[in-house]
Amino acid sequence: SQQGEEDPQALSIQEGENATMNCSYKTSINNLQWYRQNSGRGLVHLILIRSNEREKHSGRLRVTLDTSKKSSSLLITASRAADTASYFCATVDQGAQKLVFGQGTRLTINP
Amino acid sequence: DTGVSQNPRHKITKRGQNVTFRCDPISEHNRLYWYRQTLGQGPEFLTYFQNEAQLEKSRLLSDRFSAERPKGSFSTLEIQRTEQGDSAMYLCASTWGTGGNIFPRNEQFFGPGTRLTVL
Repeated sequence: SQQGEEDPQALSIQEGENATMNCSYKTSINNLQWYRQNSGRGLVHLILIRSNEREKHSGRLRVTLDTSKKSSSLLITASRAADTASYFCATVDQGAQKLVFGQGTRLTINP
Repeated sequence: DTGVSQNPRHKITKRGQNVTFRCDPISEHNRLYWYRQTLGQGPEFLTYFQNEAQLEKSRLLSDRFSAERPKGSFSTLEIQRTEQGDSAMYLCASTWGTGGNIFPRNEQFFGPGTRLTVL
């Protein structure tokens, strides 16, 4: 079953703008991860944030986690055409060993 | 290329036929996962192995589905008596995990998937 909601379901922005995607979940988690999926390709891990962390950065990516609200956001700064993809959040529950994915946000970067 | 590989990449079959997919994980990874993804949805967990032991199965894995990892290396996923509802992308992923604890960096590495179409 899907963990929760991702918002928005689709996002279209101009190259160079920032893109923000949100993810909500329902359970107590060990960590939350973001993955990218290009059309016709497998998923690629972007970043992992643990339940005791509030913010992480990796290059142009910034992830926040609010465990009290059971939500996370992914910010991509200075977007590029190559960022066009679907982005999924995935949680690992406390004591669990598997990823539970959201439904994803389809991001389109217009040149 | 030392990533996760899956074969075949595409499979078209008629309803009622059996199909088998193969996944070759990253060699040093002891955990192997199978997920199913339908159009417009995120992947859904099916099952996972630690070495050759199948440790968890989703309720999505009906008795028509069976997965094996006989030597703790590659894995196969077989679907018997396929149905049109089985049409999906089947994804394999591998990672390193130790016992009951989650290894600090447990990102999963995904293969390109096998797209199954049941006619």
